[in-house]
Amino acid sequence: ETGVTQTPRHLVMGMTNKKSLKCEQHLGHNAMYWYKQSAKKPLELMFVYNFKEQTENNSVPSRFSPECPNSSHLFLHLHTLQPEDSALYLCASSQASADNYGYTFGSGTRLTVV
Amino acid sequence: LAKTTQPISMDSYEGQEVNITCSHNNIATNDYITWYQQFPSQGPRFIIQGYKTKVTNEVASLFIPADRKSSTLSLPRVSLSDTAVYYCLVGDMTGGFKTIFGAGTRLFVKA
Repeated sequence: ETGVTQTPRHLVMGMTNKKSLKCEQHLGHNAMYWYKQSAKKPLELMFVYNFKEQTENNSVPSRFSPECPNSSHLFLHLHTLQPEDSALYLCASSQASADNYGYTFGSGTRLTVV
Repeated sequence: LAKTTQPISMDSYEGQEVNITCSHNNIATNDYITWYQQFPSQGPRFIIQGYKTKVTNEVASLFIPADRKSSTLSLPRVSLSDTAVYYCLVGDMTGGFKTIFGAGTRLFVKA
């Protein structure tokens, strides 16, 4: 365990379904992130939350809706997804201080849209 | 955001030392250099971080020249389990650590 927990680990959903991905960290970090990793591609930053405020939305389609109710929890709400949205979704956290170690990632949610 | 360039892939044999170099010509004064390792279907894992000169921990060393425009990750005596993708990231820690992940370097260790 890295200290960042993602649930579920695997998710299969139809294009008309609504589902949510959950991320939880108890590292005391003040920034949280969603990344998408498609097959054999680099990680793509989707959203950044800093002290619960969204500071980055990297031109992500509105069918992905993030929510950060507090500094320990982050959600990604999914609605009307497309098959090309199938990917590994990774949550990460960080602490903005001079001696931290950058990101701590969760193990990811493997999403398949059918 | 600083852009990084790494070799796409490298091959090695068990027991050898592997050096992966990353170029980051537009690194900013406040930027740190951090290396991550990623196995298939897992999140990247922190390996080592540095600002300048040399940093060593129990798994790797990081060499950074004075101009900081490149860095080299050194993995001593690799094993089969070191087969993974290695990412070099450059960024400022303040205000949320936002960086661009490149394609990384796919290291394949052979027996």
